[in-house]
Order: sequence, then C-alpha cells, then structure tokens
Amino acid sequence: EPEVTQTPSHQVTQMGQEVILRCVPISNHLYFYWYRQILGQKVEFLVSFYNNEISEKSEIFDDQFSVERPDGSNFTLKIRSTKLEDSAMYFCASSEPAAGGSIGIDTQYFGPGTRLTVL
Amino acid sequence: QQQVKQSPQSLIVQKGGISIINCAYENTAFDYFPWYQQFPGKGPALLIAIRPDVSEKKEGRFTISFNKSAKQFSLHIMDSQPGDSATYFCAARNTGRRALTFGSGTRLQVQP
Repeated sequence: EPEVTQTPSHQVTQMGQEVILRCVPISNHLYFYWYRQILGQKVEFLVSFYNNEISEKSEIFDDQFSVERPDGSNFTLKIRSTKLEDSAMYFCASSEPAAGGSIGIDTQYFGPGTRLTVL
Repeated sequence: QQQVKQSPQSLIVQKGGISIINCAYENTAFDYFPWYQQFPGKGPALLIAIRPDVSEKKEGRFTISFNKSAKQFSLHIMDSQPGDSATYFCAARNTGRRALTFGSGTRLQVQP
C-alpha cells in the first residue's frame, strides 16, 4: 500500500539554526500538507500546497516557515531560524483530488512524522 | 469558532465493551468530519468520516453518530479490542478548504 514517508525521523538542532524536513507524498497525490503536534497536544494545520503554490496557511505558518516541492517527488518544510517552541512532531500529509475535481471527501494520508527537538 | 472540542481526554474500557468519544463544534461551515486513529510513533490514520447530510455511518465495529442541530458528533467502537488502544482524534474541515481542524485527542485503553 502506498504511504507517505518522512525523513529524518528525529532532528535535533540548536536554537537559531535552519532545518529542512523532508517528505515524499504518495505518488499520484496532488495536494500536500504540513501539520505539527506539540507533545501531548492536538494536531495543528500549518500549510497546504497545490500546483506549486501555497493554497492555505494557518497563523502559525509565519515568515520563518517555507515550503517547496524541489522535484517531482519531494515536499519540504524549512524553518529558517528555529525557536524552542518549534519543538514538535511535524507530519506531512497528501491527498488526491476527489472525483470531478471537487473537494468532496479527500482523505489526507499522514506520514510517520519527524520529531524536531530545538535546544 | 474554529475549535473542535473533544471529550473525554482519556478512556479505559474493558475488552468487548463500547468505547464512546464525543466532539462538538461551533462553526456551521464545517462540512466534513473525519476521525483519525494514532498509534504511538505513527502518524494519524483515517478511521472513518462523515458528511453532515447523514446522521450515522458505520464501518465494521466503528460508527459515527452525527447530530447537526446540536453540532455534535461521536465515535462508537463496538466490541472494543486491546488492539484498538490508541489515541483518537476527531477533526472537521471548513467548506471549500482542505485544512483539518483537530480535536484535542482521546487516549483509549482497552483492557484485556
């Protein structure tokens, strides 16, 4: 069964450093997402990406964050200058268009996550 | 108004029992309500989902009950098994958007 993969599984960085989290979405999916989950808290939406541009973003997704699809398979989340409060599990997800192009019930498939620890 | 409130925070059920998790929302523009199951160290996985035009959806041992007027929906797990022990998240999606708003999660423990 196709699945979303993410690398690395755990990233430790110093405050102020840049990090890039990588994801390989399911191959025929066209919509890509990043969510984060601070330890013990709920999953929060960060950004969605379609047709090489951001389609939605939350207030969490400020200028420190950026996303990119550098090639036909990878989808990345960059945090330019990490803060302590960026420590969280970051999940990538992808979905395919529903039949007819409407949103419908487009299942979002989540990857296993990257645990980011900012020291 | 974008929040989805989920209860209980944790739940212990005996094997074979019924697990019930509740969610409530305020935003009437929500048009899609999925439930996700998350095992430790894994990402959330879609369990079952419902649109507001139906009041109930059943898939195997899992049932969503939806009350549009009360703006509440719940997950029922019949014949709960130890393998169902996981964290369950309800979620909702705004009309015309793709971002999911998640509830705070319920840690379910099914005792053998």
